[in-house]
Amino acid sequence: DGGITQSPKYLFRKEGQNVTLSCEQNLNHDAMYWYRQDPGQGLRLIYYSQIVNDFQKGDIAEGYSVSREKKESFPLTVTSAQKNPTAFYLCASSIGVARDRNTEAFFGQGTRLTVV
Amino acid sequence: GENVEQHPSTLSVQEGDSAVIKCTYSDSASNYFPWYKQELGKRPQLIIDIRSNVGEKKDQRIAVTLNKTAKHFSLHITETQPEDSAVYFCAASPPGGKLIFGQGTELSVKP
Repeated sequence: DGGITQSPKYLFRKEGQNVTLSCEQNLNHDAMYWYRQDPGQGLRLIYYSQIVNDFQKGDIAEGYSVSREKKESFPLTVTSAQKNPTAFYLCASSIGVARDRNTEAFFGQGTRLTVV
Repeated sequence: GENVEQHPSTLSVQEGDSAVIKCTYSDSASNYFPWYKQELGKRPQLIIDIRSNVGEKKDQRIAVTLNKTAKHFSLHITETQPEDSAVYFCAASPPGGKLIFGQGTELSVKP
């Protein structure tokens, strides 16, 4: 069954702790993205990656880190430097920009992170 | 970098009426403009997209128009139904793979 999977669905973190959100896809997509969704602010881009071992900062990268060691996986770490981490996090993937032709992004189910 | 503005933030229509959502973008190099629908508690899903070499695209009750000169694009939903109620997001993608979203429009279709 092909798709993009995020885990866990709900995550609670104590202040001062780092936490890692998982994102895995078996669609053979080159591109992967992380977005943060807050009410009234749409989807804001945190990081994106077009190829293994390479990634770029989005508009709100401060306090977050990522890695792309495998094509299928793009984990996001929310560090203690992120001042307001409570949010809904969405991962997405797309075929990529081969021949400079952007394509549809498919989203995971999301992870709701709460700082307690 | 690319910036996308979306209006209105909320839209309420009667069943059967049309709904229009508008977006503007800042990067003239953007060449791909998708629209996503997010139902409550679900993931966003693509409903229609348009590329910069096309001015209009239609798929049954939904259509998208693109004005490259003015850097704006719009989503049109005709004959709205209660199941069209959701949050709609526009997005713009410049070369290089970034995908930047607007702030979203919460559409409510009243029976």
